[in-house]
Parts: sequence; C-alpha cells; structure tokens
Amino acid sequence: GENVEQHPSTLSVQEGDSAVIKCTYSDSASNYFPWYKQELGKRPQLIIDIRSNVGEKKDQRIAVTLNKTAKHFSLHITETQPEDSAVYFCAASRGGGFKTIFGAGTRLFVKA
Amino acid sequence: DTEVTQTPKHLVMGMTNKKSLKCEQHMGHRAMYWYKQKAKKPPELMFVYSYEKLSINESVPSRFSPECPNSSLLNLHLHALQPEDSALYLCASARPGLAGGGTGELFFGEGSRLTVL
Repeated sequence: GENVEQHPSTLSVQEGDSAVIKCTYSDSASNYFPWYKQELGKRPQLIIDIRSNVGEKKDQRIAVTLNKTAKHFSLHITETQPEDSAVYFCAASRGGGFKTIFGAGTRLFVKA
Repeated sequence: DTEVTQTPKHLVMGMTNKKSLKCEQHMGHRAMYWYKQKAKKPPELMFVYSYEKLSINESVPSRFSPECPNSSLLNLHLHALQPEDSALYLCASARPGLAGGGTGELFFGEGSRLTVL
C-alpha cells in the first residue's frame, strides 16, 4: 500500500541554524505534498505544500523541494527560532486528495 | 469563518457507553475526514466523506460509526469501545477537488481527546 517514510524522527538544532527533514513516498501517482506543523496539544496546521508540477517552493524561511524521479521531498527551515520547535509531518496524496498519507513525524527542538 | 469546530474537547467513557463526537465547518468544504492520532504518532485516516457520501472507510471496526447529516456537520458515533481506542480524534475538511475528494490542504479541528476506561 501507500507509504511515506520520514527522517529523522528527532532533530535538535541551535537557534539560527538550518533544519532539514526528508521524506520518501511509494505511490508514484501522488501529486500533492503538504507539510504540517503540530505544536504540543494543538491541531496540525499546513505550513507549506508543493504539487508535482513544481520542483521547489519557498515561503520566507521555509522551502520545500521535490524530486519526482526519486520520490523524495524535503523541508528546509533556515534561521530557526525557538517557536519553530514542534512536530513536523510530511504527507502525500493523489488525485482528488481523498487520502492523505502522513509520515511518522519529526520532533524538532530549537535551542536558544 | 475558517475554523473546524469539534466537540467535546475531552470525553471519558466506559466500554459499554454510547457517545458521539461532533464536527462542524462553515467554509463550504465538501470533503470531510475523521483521523485518529495516538501520542507521538501521525494522524491515521479513518473515514472520508465526499459530498455527504462515505467515500473511504479504512477498515475501521464497526464500533466506530460515522455520519454526515449535511454539508457542514460530521459525527462519529462510538459504541462498545476498547481501552486501546483512547486517542485524539481529529476532524478535518478540504475544498472539493475535481474528483470530489478535496484539493489538498486539510483544515483540522482541535480534536476530541477520548479516554476509554
């Protein structure tokens, strides 16, 4: 079945450093790749997404890259801040988006 | 209104109880979802409704029964649950896509934290 693998499971960085989280997906028909941030006790919220017709997308300190051939996509956070500390989930879905499959999550700690 | 509202926020029930979780959105989204999330795990898809019709049931046990009374409401009826069903239950909605399932971004509610004794 469909599967999304996410690494690392935990990431600790110093404030101001960059953080990179990587995901791979198995369903070659996937064409939408969102990233959700979930703070402790809160709902998951979309922070950035990318569709399969684009290789890279940037929004201020956050960027996502997609390699369709290798079925890889990555989240890059630059100039990290303590408020970036949260769990980040990558996800993949296809077609009408009926089924969004989530990666296992990465717990990011940004040390002040 | 860009919110998905879930009630109750917390629920404790015994294994013989019957209870319901409720979800409401007024964004005109026609795809609505129930996810289950255990601690330190990703959301796990349970059900998808598209235009008020059940589109996906991810082999969820029959003790969970979803209902979509109208385009704004989604319920999850609970009966004879087990302690291992204790989790955060998240409702989500999405804009309708060409295939009716949603264009992508999921808008989540804050969740209902369920404890089964």
